[in-house]
Amino acid sequence: QKEVEQNSGPLSVPEGAIASLNCTYSDRVSQSFFWYRQYSGKSPELIMSIYSNGDKEDGRFTAQLNKASQYVSLLIRDSQPSDSATYLCAVNKGGYQKVTFGTGTKLQVIP
Amino acid sequence: KAGVTQTPRYLIKTRGQQVTLSCSPISGHRSVSWYQQTPGQGLQFLFEYFSETQRNKGNFPGRFSGRQFSNSRSEMNVSTLELGDSALYLCASSDTGGAYEQYFGPGTRLTVT
Repeated sequence: QKEVEQNSGPLSVPEGAIASLNCTYSDRVSQSFFWYRQYSGKSPELIMSIYSNGDKEDGRFTAQLNKASQYVSLLIRDSQPSDSATYLCAVNKGGYQKVTFGTGTKLQVIP
Repeated sequence: KAGVTQTPRYLIKTRGQQVTLSCSPISGHRSVSWYQQTPGQGLQFLFEYFSETQRNKGNFPGRFSGRQFSNSRSEMNVSTLELGDSALYLCASSDTGGAYEQYFGPGTRLTVT
């Protein structure tokens, strides 16, 4: 079982819709969770971090964390073609341990 | 603040050679992590340096090594290059270490022929 799992996609959504990206992790002691966006040919860009159960909103982005079910999700409201990218989920167990990345979900927003 | 910088941006080497990549973190950040990204394996953790000490290490052979200087700049070295080392090498800086937000540089694209 992979430490961090994501559906590779592509996930296609029409412009203006809500895109829902999901990520599961295997280690219950994980403490920090991150979402990165990576455009083709570019490096990952941090868009959200979440540390406690519940929702965290930042503009059109909402991160959701459920530690009991060991999943974290990212919702993108009013999706735009510029949101088309690969979204990477990353997890850290805390205590200065390494960050483990999922393989990413490719999102395509159709105009 | 200036972002993370990496040099060189592109590199072509032949099998058996060695290569050194450089990373300058965001000013004030003391943690630098290195990752290898390939289409098949995704982002793989190489190692992390914090205050000139290697704090974490991934599952890569000893041909991959790194160091960090007192100004937090970091270098990674790959010796005896193999074709499979062709990848995008990314460094990421953080102000408190692996538990917190990391900010990536643009990467170095290494091609081994």
